[in-house]
Amino acid sequence: GAGVSQSPSNKVTEKGKDVELRCDPISGHTALYWYRQSLGQGLEFLIYFQGNSAPDKSGLPSDRFSAERTGGSVSTLTIQRTQQEDSAVYLCASSPGTSAYTDTQYFGPGTRLTVL
Amino acid sequence: AQKITQTQPGMFVQEKEAVTLDCTYDTSDPSYGLFWYKQPSSGEMIFLIYQGSYDQQNATEGRYSLNFQKARKSANLVISASQLGDSAMYFCAMREKGGGFKTIFGAGTRLFVKA
Repeated sequence: GAGVSQSPSNKVTEKGKDVELRCDPISGHTALYWYRQSLGQGLEFLIYFQGNSAPDKSGLPSDRFSAERTGGSVSTLTIQRTQQEDSAVYLCASSPGTSAYTDTQYFGPGTRLTVL
Repeated sequence: AQKITQTQPGMFVQEKEAVTLDCTYDTSDPSYGLFWYKQPSSGEMIFLIYQGSYDQQNATEGRYSLNFQKARKSANLVISASQLGDSAMYFCAMREKGGGFKTIFGAGTRLFVKA
């Protein structure tokens, strides 16, 4: 079946502009995650959604970052007033949502964001 | 707070030899899961192996095995018979049962396999 998809694959924007990144999880997966990976670095947790529960937003670096998940499926990560330090690869993952500590996450290909 | 430490920024291994990538973790939750992922230069994240905190035996998946030492809070990845295609970044990650689905990743280890 189809894996996790993300769009766009690349996004170049100017400082101060808003951007929206999209993630389509694997069908039937109730848990969805967003991560940020700066060049040569590890993955930084941003936010996760699980079913109808309130999302865990504890990793969002500032109030310029927000995310929503519509209909329990597609998710959009929005960055307002982008800054050059926001340049990174943004990875989305999904998992079945069966068990918090045994679920395997499946990752999308990522969106490479460049802020000029 | 949960924490993952990978102390080896880079490792070299000769093709066909075994290599161990280190991972230590810190948690006060007795229930947790540990994961290893591979990230080739293409950027995709590939799940390799999982170890649960209550698992009695070390996890194995083909050429990958996990050396789980619970008392020492270490979960080292062992790759046997290294292949050139194993050259990649490797990340260790942890999720606590009490933390919901929040997952914390280590900084990663870059593995270079020499012909």
